[in-house]
Amino acid sequence: DQQVKQNSPSLSVQEGRISILNCDYTNSMFDYFLWYKKYPAEGPTFLISISSIKDKNEDGRFTVFLNKSAKHLSLHIVPSQPGDSAVYFCAAIDSNNAGNMLTFGGGTRLMVKP
Amino acid sequence: KAGVTQTPRYLIKTRGQQVTLSCSPISGHRSVSWYQQTPGQGLQFLFEYFSETQRNKGNFPGRFSGRQFSNSRSEMNVSTLELGDSALYLCASSSDRGEEQYFGPGTRLTVT
Repeated sequence: DQQVKQNSPSLSVQEGRISILNCDYTNSMFDYFLWYKKYPAEGPTFLISISSIKDKNEDGRFTVFLNKSAKHLSLHIVPSQPGDSAVYFCAAIDSNNAGNMLTFGGGTRLMVKP
Repeated sequence: KAGVTQTPRYLIKTRGQQVTLSCSPISGHRSVSWYQQTPGQGLQFLFEYFSETQRNKGNFPGRFSGRQFSNSRSEMNVSTLELGDSALYLCASSSDRGEEQYFGPGTRLTVT
């Protein structure tokens, strides 16, 4: 039973355009969400996070939107750059549960074409 | 600040052997979590240690174990290795109540 899903395994975008990566979750106890970027043979790099008390968080070119009623979040990258090409994972935490256990989606491979 | 470090980076073992992986968290971080990444199952949580105590455990068999030392460094051990244990093992650290976890480069374990 996958509690966090990224339904698009891959996404191709032209350099300079917007990249939109989507993530859905089923566990209503999740109250903190994160996006990570991963290159092959490296550990995930933290990008941006959002608490369930917010619906938007921005950091430079990255913006995360959260729609709690739809149990959906998205990561917008504007403008997209070739260096953004990587696998992106969304992850969720139930912060009321003891500990920091991250539940990950399956990832979306983003390819930004020059 | 130095990031999370993991040793070794690569390891080849044969079925039935055991292996120990090591993780040094970011200075000041007391929480260390371990994850397994495989092509079929994605990124899955193994366990989390905080102040030398296991605080959370994922759905893995008892062959997978870990511990944390007083300096917050952590080790994980896998006994009686199986082919399916071949994976990238990732360690992440975070501050006491910090939801953001920072990952190390991982240890690539190959079981033959």
